[in-house]
Amino acid sequence: AQKVTQAQTEISVVEKEDVTLDCVYETRDTTYYLFWYKQPPSGELVFLIRRNSFDEQNEISGRYSWNFQKSTSSFNFTITASQVVDSAVYFCALSEARGNAGNMLTFGGGTRLMVKP
Amino acid sequence: ETGVTQTPRHLVMGMTNKKSLKCEQHLGHNAMYWYKQSAKKPLELMFVYNFKEQTENNSVPSRFSPECPNSSHLFLHLHTLQPEDSALYLCASSLGVTSSYEQYFGPGTRLTVT
Repeated sequence: AQKVTQAQTEISVVEKEDVTLDCVYETRDTTYYLFWYKQPPSGELVFLIRRNSFDEQNEISGRYSWNFQKSTSSFNFTITASQVVDSAVYFCALSEARGNAGNMLTFGGGTRLMVKP
Repeated sequence: ETGVTQTPRHLVMGMTNKKSLKCEQHLGHNAMYWYKQSAKKPLELMFVYNFKEQTENNSVPSRFSPECPNSSHLFLHLHTLQPEDSALYLCASSLGVTSSYEQYFGPGTRLTVT
């Protein structure tokens, strides 16, 4: 069975600090997809990134970057120069290839990030 | 309206009431989902619909009854709920049901069962 672990339940930083959110996953599949979502106080989950298991290139999008390492089953997320607006709960998720049986996302427990001014 | 919308945003109901949650997606997607987010558990998938057909029921109690009349609308009918059913119920949609598609979420309905 697939599993996603976000060991950091809560992180507090001061604005402009860099912060890394950890994500470790377990799966027996060779084909799978990893996602990060952001959940601000308003409630909806906002899609940030998708990565497939065959693409280990790191990705950067503005202040956000992601480090995917299959050797350690990790998909970590770094925010550079954090801002107060980054305060939210961040979820890492895993989806195994199940054909048309249904896109079953397994979520980690989430990391609450608080960025203080 | 854009994205995924959900109504109502907040709902308080007694254990003997019957109510319904509504979700609508304006993205042209074919798959829709219901999730439950409670304080002490990770996000739990409840139901999956693909082209109006239910493809997944994640062992959800029968007091939760989903309905998907078309690919744009999804309902969750609630009856004789328990206090432990109090949670944020999130609706999501995706272009298809294969694992590569990201899901887009609505703002959720905060449900309180008294």
